[in-house]
Amino acid sequence: GENVEQHPSTLSVQEGDSAVIKCTYSDSASNYFPWYKQELGKGPQLIIDIRSNVGEKKDQRIAVTLNKTAKHFSLHITETQPEDSAVYFCAAGFGNEKLTFGTGTRLTIIP
Amino acid sequence: GAVVSQHPSWVICKSGTSVKIECRSLDFQATTMFWYRQFPKQSLMLMATSNEGSKATYEQGVEKDKFLINHASLTLSTLTVTSAHPEDSSFYICSARDGGKDTQYFGPGTRLTVL
Repeated sequence: GENVEQHPSTLSVQEGDSAVIKCTYSDSASNYFPWYKQELGKGPQLIIDIRSNVGEKKDQRIAVTLNKTAKHFSLHITETQPEDSAVYFCAAGFGNEKLTFGTGTRLTIIP
Repeated sequence: GAVVSQHPSWVICKSGTSVKIECRSLDFQATTMFWYRQFPKQSLMLMATSNEGSKATYEQGVEKDKFLINHASLTLSTLTVTSAHPEDSSFYICSARDGGKDTQYFGPGTRLTVL
């Protein structure tokens, strides 16, 4: 089955700086890669996703890049703000199959 | 759009009782819903996949007789924790997939505490 590794497990950045979280996956058949943001005591919120026919996708301060050859994808947050502090999960899946999640990254934005 | 609700948001029950958690897709039809369990500071653990009108598919190690799942309509799935014990205390989260798409939207979660 699919295996997703996520790094780093914790990340602290100064407000205004950029944050990068990286994930690798094992199943070359995976073609859907979402990122979720989870705040304390809440359910995960989809913030951006990318499909294997696209190498990069951007939505305001958030961007995701995908390298299918190397089987890794990354989340980039620019101009970080205190409200970006949360736990971020990457995931990988194929078609209508279940998603496999990474272990999460706790992002702390230092004011 | 793409809102998923869960009810209740938190529940406290006595050991040995059963608890039902509802998951609803509010503005789309969900042919597939997923139930996850999450322990503090850990990732999401998939418990089962629920397809409308058919039996749920449970992940290895999840007791189907203890965690009963019913996906009665395209907008509602329920998880019943039967004969709950303190070790069942956890954060239970559902997600719903919009039709034939691969995008999953999560509910806000239900915190279950078994005394």
